[in-house]
Amino acid sequence: AQSVSQHNHHVILSEAASLELGCNYSYGGTVNLFWYVQYPGQHLQLLLKYFSGDPLVKGIKGFEAEFIKSKFSFNLRKPSVQWSDTAEYFCAVKSGGGADGLTFGKGTHLIIQP
Amino acid sequence: DAGVIQSPRHEVTEMGQEVTLRCKPISGHDYLFWYRQTMMRGLELLIYFNNNVPIDDSGMPEDRFSAKMPNASFSTLKIQPSEPRDSAVYFCASSLAGGVHEQFFGPGTRLTVL
Repeated sequence: AQSVSQHNHHVILSEAASLELGCNYSYGGTVNLFWYVQYPGQHLQLLLKYFSGDPLVKGIKGFEAEFIKSKFSFNLRKPSVQWSDTAEYFCAVKSGGGADGLTFGKGTHLIIQP
Repeated sequence: DAGVIQSPRHEVTEMGQEVTLRCKPISGHDYLFWYRQTMMRGLELLIYFNNNVPIDDSGMPEDRFSAKMPNASFSTLKIQPSEPRDSAVYFCASSLAGGVHEQFFGPGTRLTVL
């Protein structure tokens, strides 16, 4: 069975700091990888996704993530965070090519202090 | 585009009562997913449908839970009888051709069972 591990449950940063949220998955085959964000009081929105090709993917709002197959990782990064990035961030995995549901990590609660 | 619509947004009920959650997927999407989010277990896939047919219900916690999709624009998740441990946020999501397309999430239904 697939599993996703997000290393930090709570992260507090100051505005303009750099961000990296860790995500590791366990699945031996081809995977599709996602980062979703849930802003306070809102529903889950897709930040970015990886299906194939360039392992460095860029998403909305200045976020990017790098797929490192050898490390089973898909870390999320942003060079300079803003107060509006305060949210819950979820990493998710799906077996590649399949029509399965997503397996989510437990989430990271990010708080940006102005 | 109205997005995925869920109702009700909040439901408070007493233990033993029947609860029905409703979802309208995005028009044209042929995959529909039900997820549950709790503090302890995070986001978990309960069941998903393709073209109104249940494909994988292995995530449904027990027989008290049932889901139906009578047509392409409507699905229900029913809990009978409800228990306090069912308290959670229930999300519905839909996608095109599940394999390579992102899932769009609804706003969720926050269920509290007293």
